[in-house]
Amino acid sequence: ILNVEQSPQSLHVQEGDSTNFTCSFPSSNFYALHWYRWETAKSPEALFVMTLNGDEKKKGRISATLNTKEGYSYLYIKGSQPEDSATYLCALNSGNTPLVFGKGTRLSVIA
Amino acid sequence: DVKVTQSSRYLVKRTGEKVFLECVQDMDHENMFWYRQDPGLGLRLIYFSYDVKMKEKGDIPEGYSVSREKKERFSLILESASTNQTSMYLCASRGGGWGDLRGANVLTFGAGSRLTVL
Repeated sequence: ILNVEQSPQSLHVQEGDSTNFTCSFPSSNFYALHWYRWETAKSPEALFVMTLNGDEKKKGRISATLNTKEGYSYLYIKGSQPEDSATYLCALNSGNTPLVFGKGTRLSVIA
Repeated sequence: DVKVTQSSRYLVKRTGEKVFLECVQDMDHENMFWYRQDPGLGLRLIYFSYDVKMKEKGDIPEGYSVSREKKERFSLILESASTNQTSMYLCASRGGGWGDLRGANVLTFGAGSRLTVL
């Protein structure tokens, strides 16, 4: 079973702070790296899918980068807001097999 | 605008009962998945299907079975529920063609079914 690691497991930030967290994965047989946001009482929703080394994606205040050679992706949130509170999941697509998820980073933004 | 619907949001069952969790998607996706989510363990794949009547075991299939009689519907079955199957169950679907799980197609998830087995 592939191992996808996310860190930190949880963090608390003040409203307005910027934050980032990490997803690490085996770099062999890489096809795509997904980020999902899972808010309480809602369905997980896709944020980004990245396929190329050096990819950078942005959606509003949230952005992500990808380094497939060293096997990591960063998710950045600029100026965190309470509505950013959620669990952020990354998932690796390493071939014609289902996505393998990390355990997630639980973000709490304190107003 | 609901695309993946799970039949029950909350269920409470007794040990030994047979439990059906239903999932329906309206996006004409070939690939469908069942995950469970437990604190500290993340999302773990139970079973998936890439076509009608096709099924593949995921990482934790023990104690579960699935049924896919129609393209839009993927059912998870607990033949004899046990307390260690108390969990949040998530259904998801994904496009991209028959059995093609590579590439950039994202998963669309249902809202989840929280099962408690007493």
